[in-house]
Amino acid sequence: DGGITQSPKYLFRKEGQNVTLSCEQNLNHDAMYWYRQDPGQGLRLIYYSQIVNDFQKGDIAEGYSVSREKKESFPLTVTSAQKNPTAFYLCASTWAAGGYNEQFFGPGTRLTVL
Amino acid sequence: KQEVTQIPAALSVPEGENLVLNCSFTDSAIYNLQWFRQDPGKGLTSLLLIQSSQREQTSGRLNASLDKSSGRSTLYIAASQPGDSATYLCAMLSNSGYALNFGKGTSLLVTP
Repeated sequence: DGGITQSPKYLFRKEGQNVTLSCEQNLNHDAMYWYRQDPGQGLRLIYYSQIVNDFQKGDIAEGYSVSREKKESFPLTVTSAQKNPTAFYLCASTWAAGGYNEQFFGPGTRLTVL
Repeated sequence: KQEVTQIPAALSVPEGENLVLNCSFTDSAIYNLQWFRQDPGKGLTSLLLIQSSQREQTSGRLNASLDKSSGRSTLYIAASQPGDSATYLCAMLSNSGYALNFGKGTSLLVTP
């Protein structure tokens, strides 16, 4: 069954903690993305990766970090420097960044700061 | 930067009606435009992808059109059903970018 999985579904963070959100895909896609969704706003790009061992900052990268050591995995770390991390986080992938390719999304992780 | 606007923000219709959701964008230099569906608390499901050279795409009761010259796309839903209730998002990939630019969505409620 091909697709994108995200874990956990719900995540709670205390002030000052770093937390890591998992994103895995078995679609053999080269490009992967992290978006943040807040109520009443469109999705905003945090980071994207076009290929293994390479990633680029999106519009709201401050307070977040990523790695891309494997093609199928693109974890996102929300650091204590992110002042307002409560949001719904969505991971996506496509064959290649840019171009004419359809983008697919995972089920999301809801992060709440206690 | 590409700006994407979706009108209306919310829409309520009785079951069986045909309806149109609108999406406008400011930069016509795009690779493609995608329409997504999002159920509450869930991820996005891709409905239709229109390449920049295409004018429309159809899937079942859904039809999406693209007019780059006017910076508009519409999603037409025929014979709406309560199961169509969800938020519909449009997004496009600009020629100058690597990630989608999203509108804020239209929240659709189809009442029995």
